[in-house]
This record gives sequence, structure tokens and C-alpha cells, in this order.
Amino acid sequence: GQQVMQIPQYQHVQEGEDFTTYCNSSTTLSNIQWYKQRPGGHPVFLIQLVKSGEVKKQKRLTFQFGEAKKNSSLHITATQTTDVGTYFCAGGGGYSGGYQKVTFGTGTKLQVIP
Amino acid sequence: DTAVSQTPKYLVTQMGNDKSIKCEQNLGHDTMYWYKQDSKKFLKIMFSYNNKELIINETVPNRFSPKSPDKAHLNLHINSLELGDSAVYFCASSQVTGRGEQYFGPGTRLTVT
Repeated sequence: GQQVMQIPQYQHVQEGEDFTTYCNSSTTLSNIQWYKQRPGGHPVFLIQLVKSGEVKKQKRLTFQFGEAKKNSSLHITATQTTDVGTYFCAGGGGYSGGYQKVTFGTGTKLQVIP
Repeated sequence: DTAVSQTPKYLVTQMGNDKSIKCEQNLGHDTMYWYKQDSKKFLKIMFSYNNKELIINETVPNRFSPKSPDKAHLNLHINSLELGDSAVYFCASSQVTGRGEQYFGPGTRLTVT
């Protein structure tokens, strides 16, 4: 079945440093979503990418979808303590009974040291 | 007005008991999901429902039985609870299956002793 891996699993950065998490799928995806989960909270949707090579920005966050639609990345510029949390990618692809499945990545936990 | 709500927020019970978790969404979405998040924070899909019909069952033990009385509600009943069932269970909904934003509930932390 479809597998979605993220690296790194954990990342500690000094406040102000940049951070990147990478998402790799074993199969071609139709779309990729990114979510953020704060400690003790629930996943919150950040963005969806659907086109090959697509790049989207949200303030200090930059999201990319690979040309082959099998990988994606999230880059945060100049991290702040409010960026702390676990970042998940979620790949849409593969079908079950005619419905498209979404598989969540393994997550990257970001710690920001003030 | 909470978009996706779950009850209870915490559930502590003993092995062998049966328990239920309820979920409701007021977004008018057609698709609802149950996820299990273990201690390592991996989010695993358990079930997906579209308009009250089960569409995805990710090889979950049959001790877990979801029920959707209408498209706004998706409940999860667990029989004969085991230690390994301890986790946070999230309900979520989306307008379209497999695409677009999923809205998650606050989660139910289940502890089996």
C-alpha cells in the first residue's frame, strides 16, 4: 500500500534559524496537504498542492510539490517559538472502492529554542 | 461554534470493557474519518465514511465498530478493550473524500489500564 515518510523525525532549531521537512511517497500522488499539530492539540490544515512543481507561500512558510508528484517539502524561514509543533504531510492517491485515499506522513516534530 | 466535536475528551477504562466515542460535525461535509494517533504521534486512518456509508476500512480489528446514523455523526464503539488500544482518537471531516481540507475534532485520549 501507499507509504508516506517524512524526514527528519525530530528537529531542534534556535529561534531565527530556518527549518525544512521533507515528505516522500512510495507512489505518485494526486495532491499533497500539510497540517500542523501543536502539542496537546489536533492537526490543523495549512495548505493543499495539486500541480506538479507547484510552490505556494504563506508568510514565512514555503510549500513545494515535486515535479514527479512523489515528494513535497515545507520550509519555514526564521522560525519563531509559535512554530513549535508536529508537521504532517498527507498524500492523496490510491483508491479504495472508487474513493481516493489520504495517507498521512510520519510527521516531523519541531522544537524551537528561544 | 465548534466545527467538529468529540465526546468524551478523556476516557480511562479497564481491559475488557466496552466503550464508545461520539463525533459530530456541523460543516455539512459528506465524508467523515476516524484516526488513531499512538504514543509516537503517527496518525493512522481507521475508517472513512461517505454520506453514512463505510468506504474505507484500514484493516482495523473487528472489535472496532463505527456507526454513522446520519452524515453529520460518526461514532466509534470499541469492544473488549486492550492495552494497545490506548491512544488519542481523532474524528475528522471533509467536503470531498481524499482531497481538500480535513477538519479535525479535539481528540479523545483513551487510556486502557
